[in-house]
Amino acid sequence: QVQLVESGGGVVQPGGSLRLSCAASGFTFSSYGMHWVRQAPGKGLEWVAFIRYDGSNKYYADSVKGRFTISRDNSKNTLYLQMNSLRAEDTAVYYCAKSIAALVDYWGQGTLVTVSS
Amino acid sequence: QPVLTQSSSASASLGSSVKLTCTLSSGHSSYIIAWHQQQPGKAPRYLMKLEGSGSYNKGSGVPDRFSGSSSGADRYLTISNLQSEDEADYYCETWDSNTHWVFGGGTKLTVL
Repeated sequence: QVQLVESGGGVVQPGGSLRLSCAASGFTFSSYGMHWVRQAPGKGLEWVAFIRYDGSNKYYADSVKGRFTISRDNSKNTLYLQMNSLRAEDTAVYYCAKSIAALVDYWGQGTLVTVSS
Repeated sequence: QPVLTQSSSASASLGSSVKLTCTLSSGHSSYIIAWHQQQPGKAPRYLMKLEGSGSYNKGSGVPDRFSGSSSGADRYLTISNLQSEDEADYYCETWDSNTHWVFGGGTKLTVL
């Protein structure tokens, strides 16, 4: 079955950097686009970034454009999110999600990122 | 760009049915959406993809009690024979080539 396991979350100071990883299994990773979606404490879901199956195109929410970079390694079945210049408002649970026909059809369990001094 | 509007809360009694609504903004009434469920303290779970025609495709393991329908710009999620585990937040999602992906604000469903 499809499994998405995020890692790399933690506490970081404002202005700092963090890299999240998502290990995928149970499907042909190289055939599907992938998302990062976040959820601030007590808030709703916010789409963050998307990468096409082959990494050829990447899209970002305006709130993270220029600071976050999505990437993938199809040989390792792994999705990444490099987060730089982190702000307090980036504090959230970050979910890795698989895409089918552009929309999300599977979710990981999430990893918590806390930006605080 | 598309905006998805959901009521902030809904409630229904155990064993009854409830219909949740996600409304697409003007000019986007033909868009396909997805419904997701998030139980308290858990990650979201994909429920179904729903087209403007009312045709829907459910995710793996989603009970028959969950169904979808559409009318104009409205996309509905109907849950029949409500169970206690259906108490959750429900989000709709759509995609647009310009604004990319958007989620509705979510509906918190309380099972009485």
